[in-house]
Amino acid sequence: GDSVTQMEGPVTLSEEACLTINCTYTATGYPSLFWYVQYPGEGLQLLLKATKADDKGSNKGFEATYRKETTSFHLEKGSVQVSDSAVYFCALSDHDYKLSFGAGTTVTVRA
Amino acid sequence: DADVTQTPRNRITKTGKRIMLECSQTKGHDRMYWYRQDPGLGLQLIYYSFDVKDINKGEISDGYSVSRQAQAKFSLSLESAIPNQTALYFCATSDNRGSTDTQYFGPGTRLTVL
Repeated sequence: GDSVTQMEGPVTLSEEACLTINCTYTATGYPSLFWYVQYPGEGLQLLLKATKADDKGSNKGFEATYRKETTSFHLEKGSVQVSDSAVYFCALSDHDYKLSFGAGTTVTVRA
Repeated sequence: DADVTQTPRNRITKTGKRIMLECSQTKGHDRMYWYRQDPGLGLQLIYYSFDVKDINKGEISDGYSVSRQAQAKFSLSLESAIPNQTALYFCATSDNRGSTDTQYFGPGTRLTVL
């Protein structure tokens, strides 16, 4: 079945550092890929998505590129802020409109 | 106002009690979902509904039931709560129009079963 594996945390960074969270997936078809973010005490929010190979999703300075050849969708940000402290989830949808989530990566950014 | 609301936000109950968690949405979406979140496990799908007359089991439906009272309302019930159902529960919605798979989440209900 479909599955998502993402980098284990927690990750602790200093402000303005670079962030990369690795995500790889297994799917039988051609899924859509997502990054969701969960800020403390809140529900999940869509951060970015990509629906086909080589698409790049971007939002709030975060980027991720859909790499079919490596079945990956790594999340990157060049300069993090304290406000980026959150839990980040990689997810896929194999077009049956159900999401499969990774375990989540907790990121803490220190001033 | 939030598009997807959940009540209650926090609940503490005892083993064996019946509990209902409610979800309402104003997004006009046909599809609704219930997930549970456990530390280190991500989110797991409990039930989903693609319209008022459609109910489907997810990965972990045992011990849970749902009711889709209207397009905008989707309730999750624990008939006889047990401690390992202590978790954070999320409701989500998505739109069946167009090709997007994006789901929109409520703020969550933290349930503790003693």
